[in-house]
Amino acid sequence: AQSVAQPEDQVNVAEGNPLTVKCTYSVSGNPYLFWYVQYPNRGLQFLLKYITGDNLVKGSYGFEAEFNKSQTSFHLKKPSALVSDSALYFCAVHLNTGGFKTIFGAGTRLFVKA
Amino acid sequence: DTGVSQDPRHKITKRGQNVTFRCDPISEHNRLYWYRQTLGQGPEFLTYFQNEAQLEKSRLLSDRFSAERPKGSFSTLEIQRTEQGDSAMYLCASSHQENYGYTFGSGTRLTVV
Repeated sequence: AQSVAQPEDQVNVAEGNPLTVKCTYSVSGNPYLFWYVQYPNRGLQFLLKYITGDNLVKGSYGFEAEFNKSQTSFHLKKPSALVSDSALYFCAVHLNTGGFKTIFGAGTRLFVKA
Repeated sequence: DTGVSQDPRHKITKRGQNVTFRCDPISEHNRLYWYRQTLGQGPEFLTYFQNEAQLEKSRLLSDRFSAERPKGSFSTLEIQRTEQGDSAMYLCASSHQENYGYTFGSGTRLTVV
């Protein structure tokens, strides 16, 4: 069965420092991978996706993510964190053969301290 | 287009009552999804429509749950004989193709008392 793991419930980082939010997945076949962000009292927002091609993908708000097939990981990164980046981040995987659902991880809460 | 709209934003109901939620997706999106999110968890897939056809249902969707998308536009999710365990945020999302990211609505928060 396909699954997504976000091993950290919470990540704390100081403003201006680089941040990484980890995600690993388990699927058969070639997945589509996504990151979403959820701000307080707001719906989930799409950040970026990996479908094929370059392993480093860039998304909204200066975020990027690196697809690593051998490690089945898709970590979210940002070179310099902002206080406004504090939110709940979800990794998601969609199997592109068979089935129609996207599976979400449990989420990682990011705190950026000024 | 203002995105995906969900109504109501909040619903408090007594156990045993029926509730119905509505989702209006982005007009050019032919794919519509329902998810459920509880506190501290990621969204859990409930069901998927392509146009008016319901193509996949989760095992989470008991026979008390039913979803429709009659004309391939808006969708409704009905829960019959609600239970306290149904309390959650119900999220609707739409997309144009499977490799596009979803656009989520703000959700309907259901509280069963």
